Amino acid sequence: SQTIHQWPATLVQPVGSPLSLECTVEGTSNPNLYWYRQAAGRGLQLLFYSVGIGQISSEVPQNLSASRPQDRQFILSSKKLLLSDSGFYLCACSDGYSNQPQHFGDGTRLSIL
Amino acid sequence: DQQVKQNSPSLSVQEGRISILNCDYTNSMFDYFLWYKKYPAEGPTFLISISSIKDKNEDGRFTVFLNKSAKHLSLHIVPSQPGDSAVYFCAASGNQFYFGTGTSLTVIP
Repeated sequence: SQTIHQWPATLVQPVGSPLSLECTVEGTSNPNLYWYRQAAGRGLQLLFYSVGIGQISSEVPQNLSASRPQDRQFILSSKKLLLSDSGFYLCACSDGYSNQPQHFGDGTRLSIL
Repeated sequence: DQQVKQNSPSLSVQEGRISILNCDYTNSMFDYFLWYKKYPAEGPTFLISISSIKDKNEDGRFTVFLNKSAKHLSLHIVPSQPGDSAVYFCAASGNQFYFGTGTSLTVIP
């Protein structure tokens, strides 16, 4: 079965600092990968999804970026964090035939000070 | 624009009673609906789903009802157990996939 590893679990960063969150997937190949954010009082908002290495689609304009350097690795980055970037970030995956996230990582709680 | 809405942010239910979580959507093109359960500091896990060609799907204590004319679905949990306390997200899928805002369920022993 598919397993998603996400780290770190919690992160406190100052405004203007860079960010790198990493997600790796086990138990599958050629997955679709997703980054979601859950902000306070909001649902799960899709930030990026990827159907293959180097293929990234962005759903919302923001100061975040994503990269997929390997088939089962998905990285969320920012050069300069904003206060509004605070939230709970989740990596998810699905098999290549589905646009529905099937498995989620345990998430990263990001607090911007 | 929130295409999938859960208007009740929280719900408290006595153990053994029925929990009913509601979800409304705006896009009539959605053809597949899902419920996820999320514990604190964990990712959501898939719970139950329903295709738009059905109006009911049951799995043990969990039943999802779909009313396409009202663009409404609901999740029934009966009997409710303390371990069911979690945040529940509904989700809808068509060309894209959308989550609702979540409802925090507390089952009181």
